Amino acid sequence: GDSVTQMEGPVTLSEEAFLTINCTYTATGYPSLFWYVQYPGEGLQLLLKATKADDKGSNKGFEATYRKETTSFHLEKGSVQVSDSAVYFCALQSSGSARQLTFGSGTQLTVLP
Amino acid sequence: GAVVSQHPSRVICKSGTSVKIECRSLDFQATTMFWYRQFPKQSLMLMATSNEGSKATYEQGVEKDKFLINHASLTLSTLTVTSAHPEDSSFYICSARVMANTEAFFGQGTRLTVV
Repeated sequence: GDSVTQMEGPVTLSEEAFLTINCTYTATGYPSLFWYVQYPGEGLQLLLKATKADDKGSNKGFEATYRKETTSFHLEKGSVQVSDSAVYFCALQSSGSARQLTFGSGTQLTVLP
Repeated sequence: GAVVSQHPSRVICKSGTSVKIECRSLDFQATTMFWYRQFPKQSLMLMATSNEGSKATYEQGVEKDKFLINHASLTLSTLTVTSAHPEDSSFYICSARVMANTEAFFGQGTRLTVV
């Protein structure tokens, strides 16, 4: 079945540092890929997405490129801020009829001032 | 984006009682709603998928008699945890989408504590 493997955390960075959170997936067909962010005590918010190979999703300085050859969708940001502290989830949406979301385990990011 | 409202955000109940959690799509009609459970520092686990007007489809290992899901209208789904026990304490999150190929929007989540 579909699965998402996400870099384990927690990740602690200083403000303005470069961020990479690795994500690889296993899926049949042509899934869509997502990054969600969860702030403490809240639900999930869509951060960015990509629906086909070589697409780059971007939002709020975050980027991720859909790499079919390496089945990866790594999240990057050039300069993190304290306000980026949250849990980040990589997810895929299957191309089957149900089109359910399958989530990675989440990565806790803490950015220190 | 579209708004999904979940209520209550926090609830504490006594063991043996039942708790109902509501999930509403405020500005769109959701043909499908999903219920997830999230344990501390873990990912979201899909519990069930509900389509308006039909019975929910539960994931393997989820007791449908314990977690009652009703999706009576295109804007409301409810999850009732029956005869709650401390091990049911968790963060429950719903999501809703218009159609299969559209984005799913998430509620704020409900922190359930059973004492």
